[in-house]
Amino acid sequence: NAGVTQTPKFQVLKTGQSMTLQCAQDMNHNSMYWYRQDPGMGLRLIYYSASEGTTDKGEVPNGYNVSRLNKREFSLRLESAAPSQTSVYFCASSERLARSLSYEQYFGPGTRLTVT
Amino acid sequence: DAKTTQPTSMDCAEGRAANLPCNHSTISGNEYVYWYRQIHSQGPQYIIHGLKNNETNEMASLIITEDRKSSTLILPHATLRDTAVYYCIVRSLDYNAGGTSYGKLTFGQGTILTVHP
Repeated sequence: NAGVTQTPKFQVLKTGQSMTLQCAQDMNHNSMYWYRQDPGMGLRLIYYSASEGTTDKGEVPNGYNVSRLNKREFSLRLESAAPSQTSVYFCASSERLARSLSYEQYFGPGTRLTVT
Repeated sequence: DAKTTQPTSMDCAEGRAANLPCNHSTISGNEYVYWYRQIHSQGPQYIIHGLKNNETNEMASLIITEDRKSSTLILPHATLRDTAVYYCIVRSLDYNAGGTSYGKLTFGQGTILTVHP
């Protein structure tokens, strides 16, 4: 049981290049999320997918697109990378706990992206 | 979601209890208190959550005041590996446009806990 996995771990892009960050979870969770974390800051939500087949914008969606490929996989795409997108990107998944109206989120190890 | 206030940093001696406070004076009745931690740029790790009763698990205890306006996370015997940023988050269930519930988190700055030998 690997939990949440992310690829790649590190990436350097030039301004204007595109790339896709991959995320997969093996916990059969319905909900998945993409966050970014800038140095010294808390995490900010980029996009989320409450369930397979749905995606919604979070707090900072500009410059990103997402695809919920299936229940396991949720990818984040940068179409034209900018230096302001230099950050650490975390993917997470969650499921509603049976015994309460709450969620516990599981995070991946992160992708460290530098845009020059 | 209610905002939270945490001290910027705290120190603790190894083997002693670490008590991390969090104020959430605007919390509403259906909002839970969650605690996560982040160890040196790893992905955040869930610790514990509660609604109004005190909670305990293998990692920590959560004490919520009777008026629910504040809470304390207790690590009973802190170790060097507990050095991390600790986030207190207050939130309720969220629903997307289609009515499906989900659980996004809003992270603040957190408390940097340093455990000393």
